[in-house]
Amino acid sequence: AQKITQTQPGMFVQEKEAVTLDCTYDTSDQSYGLFWYKQPSSGEMIFLIYQGSYDEQNATEGRYSLNFQKARKSANLVISASQLGDSAMYFCAMSFTGANSKLTFGKGITLSVRP
Amino acid sequence: EAGVAQSPRYKIIEKRQSVAFWCNPISGHATLYWYQQILGQGPKLLIQFQNNGVVDDSQLPKDRFSAERLKGVDSTLKIQPAKLEDSAVYLCASAHYWVGNGYTFGSGTRLTVV
Repeated sequence: AQKITQTQPGMFVQEKEAVTLDCTYDTSDQSYGLFWYKQPSSGEMIFLIYQGSYDEQNATEGRYSLNFQKARKSANLVISASQLGDSAMYFCAMSFTGANSKLTFGKGITLSVRP
Repeated sequence: EAGVAQSPRYKIIEKRQSVAFWCNPISGHATLYWYQQILGQGPKLLIQFQNNGVVDDSQLPKDRFSAERLKGVDSTLKIQPAKLEDSAVYLCASAHYWVGNGYTFGSGTRLTVV
């Protein structure tokens, strides 16, 4: 069975600095996708970035990058130049192709950006 | 492109009452998911539809929860009777067949059972 682990306690970062949010996963499948979502206090789930298991390069989307280390089964999110609006819960998730396409989420990490 | 619509946004009910949530996915999205997110936790899948067929309902408490997706478009999730532990945010999401670039979530329904 697939599992996502996010163990960091609440994270704090100074505005304009970079921060790394950790995520490890467990699966025996070779084909899978890894996602990061942001959930502000308003509750909506905002898609940030996606990494396919066969992608050779780390995914990047603006200020977000995913540090994918397949052998270690880790998929850490790096946010560069943090902004006050980045304060939110961040969830790592995994899915597979075909019928088993549901997202399996970790428990999340709270990020607080200090001015 | 319109997003995933959910209603109501908030609902407060007493235990043992019934409640229903509605979701309208993005047009053309064949796959629809209902997730339950208890405070402080990540979302957990309740049920997954492909068009109007159920793909996965293994974590749906079927003694009290039911869901349907008529005509492969809109979906409703019902709880009857509600328990205190059902207090959560209920998120609906939709996706194309291949979800490589992410799902689209609705704003969710925050349910409080008192």
